[in-house]
Amino acid sequence: DAKTTQPNSMESNEEEPVHLPCNHSTISGTDYIHWYRQLPSQGPEYVIHGLTSNVNNRMASLAIAEDRKSSTLILHRATLRDAAVYYCILDSYSGGSNYKLTFGKGTLLTVNP
Amino acid sequence: DGGITQSPKYLFRKEGQNVTLSCEQNLNHDAMYWYRQDPGQGLRLIYYSQIVNDFQKGDIAEGYSVSREKKESFPLTVTSAQKNPTAFYLCASGTSGSYEQYFGPGTRLTVT
Repeated sequence: DAKTTQPNSMESNEEEPVHLPCNHSTISGTDYIHWYRQLPSQGPEYVIHGLTSNVNNRMASLAIAEDRKSSTLILHRATLRDAAVYYCILDSYSGGSNYKLTFGKGTLLTVNP
Repeated sequence: DGGITQSPKYLFRKEGQNVTLSCEQNLNHDAMYWYRQDPGQGLRLIYYSQIVNDFQKGDIAEGYSVSREKKESFPLTVTSAQKNPTAFYLCASGTSGSYEQYFGPGTRLTVT
């Protein structure tokens, strides 16, 4: 399975943009890039996903490098509620209808008031 | 409200006892998943099921068992064979053919 590398932790100030990096140098041509986040003592929640083009939704933006070996999750204005562990995940498609996600340790984002 | 529920939130058991964790969803999702999370770690996949009456082992299935008799339900049994059962257990569901998964609130199991 293709793997991702993320910083263990990052800090941000409230109402400032946050750029969370993810390296995935062994990504294959058909792998999608997914981001989930996990608030303390809760299950993860989906944030965004993309393949080649940059993506935007109400929660965040995803910027994908042209060579797809890295990507960045952008939170445009961090709030205290964005403090969470952010996971960058690549597909783990094993054929048929088996869609699996492999979660690494992620990046712990701390947001300072 | 549509969603995925897990009960109980906290569970305590003595070593050597089997314990079953509940997971129910009313999202009409075909796929369901069980993950385990240890402190400071990512999630590890235990079992998953794409359709009723069918399930596959994930990365750490030893010491666990599941059943999928109904689309809405995917209970996980932690058997006495699981060497380190104390963990946070998360259930998820999703549409078959999609990577987007919806997670429940989790059950924190402590075995002493």
